[in-house]
Amino acid sequence: AQSVAQPEDQVNVAEGNPLTVKCTYSVSGNPYLFWYVQYPNRGLQFLLKYITGDNLVKGSYGFEAEFNKSQTSFHLKKPSALVSDSALYFCAVRDKRTDKLIFGTGTRLQVFP
Amino acid sequence: DTGVSQDPRHKITKRGQNVTFRCDPISEHNRLYWYRQTLGQGPEFLTYFQNEAQLEKSRLLSDRFSAERPKGSFSTLEIQRTEQGDSAMYLCASSIPGVNYGYTFGSGTRLTVV
Repeated sequence: AQSVAQPEDQVNVAEGNPLTVKCTYSVSGNPYLFWYVQYPNRGLQFLLKYITGDNLVKGSYGFEAEFNKSQTSFHLKKPSALVSDSALYFCAVRDKRTDKLIFGTGTRLQVFP
Repeated sequence: DTGVSQDPRHKITKRGQNVTFRCDPISEHNRLYWYRQTLGQGPEFLTYFQNEAQLEKSRLLSDRFSAERPKGSFSTLEIQRTEQGDSAMYLCASSIPGVNYGYTFGSGTRLTVV
């Protein structure tokens, strides 16, 4: 069965500092991996995806993620955090047959001014 | 199309009542998904449609839950005899098959069962 794990419930970072939100996956074969962000009382917004190709994927709002096959990880990163980045972040793997998404439990990012 | 629309945004109901939610997907998207998200958790897959056919249902979807997509356009999710444990955000998403195509979520319907 496919799954993703987000080991941190919350990540705190000061504005202007780099941020990392961790995700590891368990998938047979090559994974299709995604990051989504959720603001309070809103649906999920797509940030970026890894399907194939370069291990460093660039996405929306200055976010990027690094696919690491040997460590089965897909960590989300941003060089300089903004207070407005404070939100709930979800890593997900996409089923290749049905396109359904299997989400992690989420990581709350808090950026302090 | 401005995206995936869900109605209502919020619903408060008494335990034992029936509720129905509606989702209008992006018009050219033939796949439609329902997810449930409880507080502090990631969204969990409930069911999905390709056009009007319901192709998969999660074990989370008890007999009290039913979903339809009668003409392959909008979809409804009905919960009968609601229980407090049904309180959650119900999210709808739509897509075109294939990972290179977008997968768009609606803003969700927040259900509170009192």
